Amino acid sequence: GDSVTQMEGPVTLSEEAFLTINCTYTATGYPSLFWYVQYPGEGLQLLLKATKADDKGSNKGFEATYRKETTSFHLEKGSVQVSDSAVYFCALSDSGANSKLTFGKGITLSVRP
Amino acid sequence: DADVTQTPRNRITKTGKRIMLECSQTKGHDRMYWYRQDPGLGLRLIYYSFDVKDINKGEISDGYSVSRQAQAKFSLSLESAIPNQTALYFCATSDPRGNYGYTFGSGTRLTVV
Repeated sequence: GDSVTQMEGPVTLSEEAFLTINCTYTATGYPSLFWYVQYPGEGLQLLLKATKADDKGSNKGFEATYRKETTSFHLEKGSVQVSDSAVYFCALSDSGANSKLTFGKGITLSVRP
Repeated sequence: DADVTQTPRNRITKTGKRIMLECSQTKGHDRMYWYRQDPGLGLRLIYYSFDVKDINKGEISDGYSVSRQAQAKFSLSLESAIPNQTALYFCATSDPRGNYGYTFGSGTRLTVV
């Protein structure tokens, strides 16, 4: 079945550091890929998405490119802020009519001032 | 008002008790989902419903049941709560194929003692 693998965490960075969070996936067909963010005490919010190969999703300075050849969707940000501290989830939705979201385990990012 | 509203936000219950978690949405979507979040495990799908007459088990449905009372309402029940059902529960809704992301509620933190 479909699966999403995220790098192990937690991750702690200093403000203005470069961020990469790795995500790889296994799926049949052509899934859509997502990054969700969960701020402390809140629900999940869609951060960005990509629906086909080579698409780049971007939002709030975060970017991720759908790489079909490496089955990856790594999240990057050039300069993190304290306010980016949150849990980040990579997810996929398969392309079928009965599609559902499959999540990775999530990774906690803490950004120090 | 939030697009997806979950009640209650927090609940402590005793082992063996029956409890219902409620979810309502104003997005007008047919598809609704219940997920459970546990630290280090990400989100796991409990049940999902693609329309009012459609109910499907997810990967961890044992010990849970659901009711789809209307397009906008989807309730999750624990018939006889046990401590390992202590978790954060999320309701979500999506467009027909989920390709535009899911909208999540703020979650219900359930503790079974």
